[in-house]
Amino acid sequence: AQSVTQLGSHVSVSEGALVLLRCNYSSSVPPYLFWYVQYPNQGLQLLLKYTTGATLVKGINGFEAEFKKSETSFHLTKPSAHMSDAAEYFCAVSFTGGGNKLTFGTGTQLKVEL
Amino acid sequence: ETGVTQSPTHLIKTRGQQVTLRCSSQSGHNTVSWYQQALGQGPQFIFQYYREEENGRGNFPPRFSGLQFPNYSSELNVNALELDDSALYLCASSVYSLNTEAFFGQGTRLTVV
Repeated sequence: AQSVTQLGSHVSVSEGALVLLRCNYSSSVPPYLFWYVQYPNQGLQLLLKYTTGATLVKGINGFEAEFKKSETSFHLTKPSAHMSDAAEYFCAVSFTGGGNKLTFGTGTQLKVEL
Repeated sequence: ETGVTQSPTHLIKTRGQQVTLRCSSQSGHNTVSWYQQALGQGPQFIFQYYREEENGRGNFPPRFSGLQFPNYSSELNVNALELDDSALYLCASSVYSLNTEAFFGQGTRLTVV
């Protein structure tokens, strides 16, 4: 069985400050890990993914995440927040041979303040 | 290349009724998955269709059923609607063998009254 835990349902940062959204996973097999963003009343857009290879992955809009197997973590970061980053962010896991069946965390609402 | 499209975007149904939601997968994708996203929650996997057959199911009752057609588009049917079925229903398409990312549609907002 696999699961995802996102610490902090709401995170607030100042514009220009570092964004850090936390994600820990549980999986009995090597995981594939994803971060998706959701704007109000819209579907999900992929920010970045880790499948194999380099553990530091870069995504769209300046976001990046690092897969740390020893910590079972896949935290999302962005050096400098922008007002347009305000949205809900979901971490998700699937596994090899799983056919892209995703297990999502409960989400983190990011608020960016002036 | 067209993306994932879902219809309708919104609908309101009465408790006990039946509803059909539709999804057209992205060009080149052969797998469709359906998710339910209740307000304030993360998406929950309902089921997946591959080669026109159900290929995995989450913790949802049998009144949630689906179809996949030869062109890879899909339908989600929900019978005997309950108030708790009110949610955003998301469709995602992907290429099964590659196990890469799933691409999501904009969703259908279902309200059961």
